[in-house]
Amino acid sequence: SQQGEEDPQALSIQEGENATMNCSYKTSINNLQWYRQNSGRGLVHLILIRSNEREKHSGRLRVTLDTSKKSSSLLITASRAADTASYFCATSNAGNNRKLIWGLGTSLAVNP
Amino acid sequence: DARVTQTPRHKVTEMGQEVTMRCQPILGHNTVFWYRQTMMQGLELLAYFRNRAPLDDSGMPKDRFSAEMPDATLATLKIQPSEPRDSAVYFCASGQGQGFYEQYFGPGTRLTVT
Repeated sequence: SQQGEEDPQALSIQEGENATMNCSYKTSINNLQWYRQNSGRGLVHLILIRSNEREKHSGRLRVTLDTSKKSSSLLITASRAADTASYFCATSNAGNNRKLIWGLGTSLAVNP
Repeated sequence: DARVTQTPRHKVTEMGQEVTMRCQPILGHNTVFWYRQTMMQGLELLAYFRNRAPLDDSGMPKDRFSAEMPDATLATLKIQPSEPRDSAVYFCASGQGQGFYEQYFGPGTRLTVT
């Protein structure tokens, strides 16, 4: 069963705008990760945030984690056409450090 | 530039045939995962290995799927006999460490069973 649920399922924006995607999960986690998948490719790890962290930055990416709401958000600032991809969150559950549980992804289209 | 490699990249086969997919994890990574991705189900974990030992294959249909790691540089996923519902993209990923940290994905094998 899926743990993470991304929202929205699809997002279309103009180049230069910011894109925000959300992920909700159900059980306590050790960490939450975001991955990107370009069409026809494998997934690429973007960023990992641990359960005791609230915010993390990497370049144009900003990830927040609210464990009380069991949710995370991924913000891409100043988006580019090359950011067009699907974005997935994955959680490593507390007490079961063996699997990553994946959401169904948000499909982001950045229009030039 | 270390990468996970997978072969074949595309496979079209008829129902009932055996399919073997291969994966070479990144050298030094001790954990290997097999995933299946479809539009309807998203990304499903089929099996994973740590230090070549199978740790979890609960996501895999046991009657037709099998996963092995003959050595540290090769992981295989076999389907016998294949069925049209097995049509999907199969990804291998590798990682390092005891915890669940970042995974490095291969390009995938797109399987079509007719």
